[in-house]
Amino acid sequence: GAVVSQHPSRVICKSGTSVKIECRSLDFQATTMFWYRQFPKQSLMLMATSNEGSKATYEQGVEKDKFLINHASLTLSTLTVTSAHPEDSSFYICSATDLAGGPGQYFGPGTRLTVT
Amino acid sequence: QKEVEQDPGPLSVPEGAIVSLNCTYSNSAFQYFMWYRQYSRKGPELLMYTYSSGNKEDGRFTAQVDKSSKYISLFIRDSQPSDSATYLCAMSAAGGYQKVTFGTGTKLQVIP
Repeated sequence: GAVVSQHPSRVICKSGTSVKIECRSLDFQATTMFWYRQFPKQSLMLMATSNEGSKATYEQGVEKDKFLINHASLTLSTLTVTSAHPEDSSFYICSATDLAGGPGQYFGPGTRLTVT
Repeated sequence: QKEVEQDPGPLSVPEGAIVSLNCTYSNSAFQYFMWYRQYSRKGPELLMYTYSSGNKEDGRFTAQVDKSSKYISLFIRDSQPSDSATYLCAMSAAGGYQKVTFGTGTKLQVIP
């Protein structure tokens, strides 16, 4: 149980374009989803917390107009990187909480974004 | 000072050894303590979580929390090459429902 999927797993885009990453909870309902960014050999950096049906809460320093988050249903949250630049290249990971499964967060497999 | 400190390693041990992984923290509000395992280029996998102080055992894994010392540990018995991964400690004041603070991770290599 508690499986989270992400799509795509890898994406390469040109500078200035937008990229959408999907995060789905497959076997549970996730009222809260989280989006992280991870640089090589560094820990997870929380970007935003997403609650179903409401606006996402962004961490300090994260541009909400650049990283658009939509949590349209209890099983789907999307992250859109708008007007991507090479410095946005990173590993993006989502997670979700399963209220029935305990306090831990369940992570997706991650999306490797490369902006050329 | 970071809220959560974790030695990045790498830590190399022979197969069958007992592995000890540790984190210290400074925020007294933390009540939930978690350990995640992350293989290269994959998302973290929740291994165990504990609430408040005490021990919890699951197979070859034992998690310990000492809130008085603000110190948590993960022990792996009879380590296997498949245990080679990065282990991240994580903690929060209100469980995974709210913000979780992660350590930087300790890279473990179990040598056959």
